[in-house]
Amino acid sequence: GAVVSQHPSWVICKSGTSVKIECRSLDFQATTMFWYRQFPKQSLMLMATSNEGSKATYEQGVEKDKFLINHASLTLSTLTVTSAHPEDSSFYICSARTGSDNEQFFGPGTRLTVL
Amino acid sequence: AQSVTQLDSHVSVSEGTPVLLRCNYSSSYSPSLFWYVQHPNKGLQLLLKYTSAATLVKGINGFEAEFKKSETSFHLTKPSAHMSDAAEYFCVVTPFSGGYNKLIFGAGTRLAVHP
Repeated sequence: GAVVSQHPSWVICKSGTSVKIECRSLDFQATTMFWYRQFPKQSLMLMATSNEGSKATYEQGVEKDKFLINHASLTLSTLTVTSAHPEDSSFYICSARTGSDNEQFFGPGTRLTVL
Repeated sequence: AQSVTQLDSHVSVSEGTPVLLRCNYSSSYSPSLFWYVQHPNKGLQLLLKYTSAATLVKGINGFEAEFKKSETSFHLTKPSAHMSDAAEYFCVVTPFSGGYNKLIFGAGTRLAVHP
């Protein structure tokens, strides 16, 4: 089956620093990748949709300057949390889709803790 | 607008007894519907999906769900629970209008399985 990886799986950083999270599709080319945020014991909230080679589309209320998304290739998308603060602490999950099928394949998630 | 409501935040069953996780949806279009499972520290895994074919959908690990348009429901069932089924389950809807495949997640149902 289609496999999506994320790196790192967890990260702890100081307030004010930036953190980059990578999302890779390992055995398929992803035309579209998605970034979600999940607060403890809550559901997934879509943050943004990124298509290879174009600017990401952000959901309402998501700061594009704070959450920088780069989808440089068909197998890699990155999410950079800039000037992170404790309220940015969360579980970040990416997913990828290929072709016209609606199915998305999810990565294992990255737990970010900002001190 | 699309939305999905999972009627139970927690469900507890005994091993070997049936499982029922309830989901109702709202969609302006003929939707695609999914059930995903999330085990701790693992990525979301697709259990099954409905995409306007057969209304009774069979998934992995013995799970199945029935699409009932008249009731706008897509409940997940399994005849006999196993300890390994303990996890968080998400009902997900996406508008079947093509193009932008935004997934709308329900709040999740935590399934506990007791010996």
